[in-house]
Amino acid sequence: DSGVTQTPKHLITATGQRVTLRCSPRSGDLSVYWYQQSLDQGLQFLIQYYNGEERAKGNILERFSAQQFPDLHSELNLSSLELGDSALYFCASTEPFQGSNQPQHFGDGTRLSIL
Amino acid sequence: GEDVEQSLFLSVREGDSSVINCTYTDSSSTYLYWYKQEPGAGLQLLTYIFSNMDMKQDQRLTVLLNKKDKHLSLRIADTQTGDSAIYFCADMNRDDKIIFGKGTRLHILP
Repeated sequence: DSGVTQTPKHLITATGQRVTLRCSPRSGDLSVYWYQQSLDQGLQFLIQYYNGEERAKGNILERFSAQQFPDLHSELNLSSLELGDSALYFCASTEPFQGSNQPQHFGDGTRLSIL
Repeated sequence: GEDVEQSLFLSVREGDSSVINCTYTDSSSTYLYWYKQEPGAGLQLLTYIFSNMDMKQDQRLTVLLNKKDKHLSLRIADTQTGDSAIYFCADMNRDDKIIFGKGTRLHILP
């Protein structure tokens, strides 16, 4: 058990809809990372937050947004969903020392299926 | 841009050693990681190596780093059925940006 909790585990919805994925980092971790894993693209970094503020952006679409709340949990919002958004979405967190190159600890992911 | 490449599949007989290879292009790598992903689960950190090291051993796992060739390998000694998983190589640079390979699926033959 990594200590990172993601909900829900599975989500099935239709094209055009909007969903919110939630992540609770390990106790004490300040950084949260979001990744998308699909068969053809592999693991793609989407966005990172550190102590409530956006720190780095990867291949995140404009239809997607995220935030980190004062209690350090994070939400990833996906809107105007398309079939190609079907994927596993992972959250990871690291220990509280920014820039210390600490390894990331991953949650078990949310599997999103768009019908 | 920066890239991390791995072969997609590897089959190994139970009891043999598995060697999973990875190449990366980033010349400012600070840390290199190996993660394991079992079916239905997230990525689990296996081991990591600082970019100024050549080798790191941790029980059945040996990581070798050839910085000149930008080549990283993970050797699993005495491969067991429980080692069947996808193994991801990842590279972190000085800006704390981490890039993952697409993963190598390790299949264990009886």
